[in-house]
Amino acid sequence: DAGVIQSPRHEVTEMGQEVTLRCKPISGHNSLFWYRQTMMRGLELLIYFNNNVPIDDSGMPEDRFSAKMPNASFSTLKIQPSEPRDSAVYFCASSPSGSGETQYFGPGTRLLVL
Amino acid sequence: DAKTTQPPSMDCAEGRAANLPCNHSTISGNEYVYWYRQIHSQGPQYIIHGLKNNETNEMASLIITEDRKSSTLILPHATLRDTAVYYCIAARGAQKLVFGQGTRLTINP
Repeated sequence: DAGVIQSPRHEVTEMGQEVTLRCKPISGHNSLFWYRQTMMRGLELLIYFNNNVPIDDSGMPEDRFSAKMPNASFSTLKIQPSEPRDSAVYFCASSPSGSGETQYFGPGTRLLVL
Repeated sequence: DAKTTQPPSMDCAEGRAANLPCNHSTISGNEYVYWYRQIHSQGPQYIIHGLKNNETNEMASLIITEDRKSSTLILPHATLRDTAVYYCIAARGAQKLVFGQGTRLTINP
């Protein structure tokens, strides 16, 4: 099992540029989660999907952030335009079913916005 | 979900049992206690969870007090690779996990 796959692992961009983070969940998992981790705010849930449908996006900081899950094996988190305060590590996680199951995290994407 | 309180840091000698406490005095009857850990520069890793009975798996044991207001995660024979931040989370389901600051556990040789 390859685990949750995220790409890129590191991203450096300039303020105002569009950033797209990608995630491939574990095959067969029905739920997918996007988190952001910073020193100041810790690990925060941004959005999660069940069966490719967004269930709760209350953690998405603002309209510059959007997430999609076009199929069961792929999700993207997009930031447009990016700002320096978006610099963080972004984690994707998946879990086997809709509720009550553990989450399996990917290695994260370290984003630096200059 | 109930708030949890953990010591910010702990030390343990290699080979000894590491006992990590967690207070969740406002936990409700349908909330589980989850433990995750995060090794430096990696994503969080699930360890164990429980409702009211003690639980054990290949990684750790979870002891929950009878009143469910606190719990202890036990790593029976800590190794250097167990150095990590350990998060205790009280939640109704695994979908909206709120990670606090956790306990930074350092295993010393």
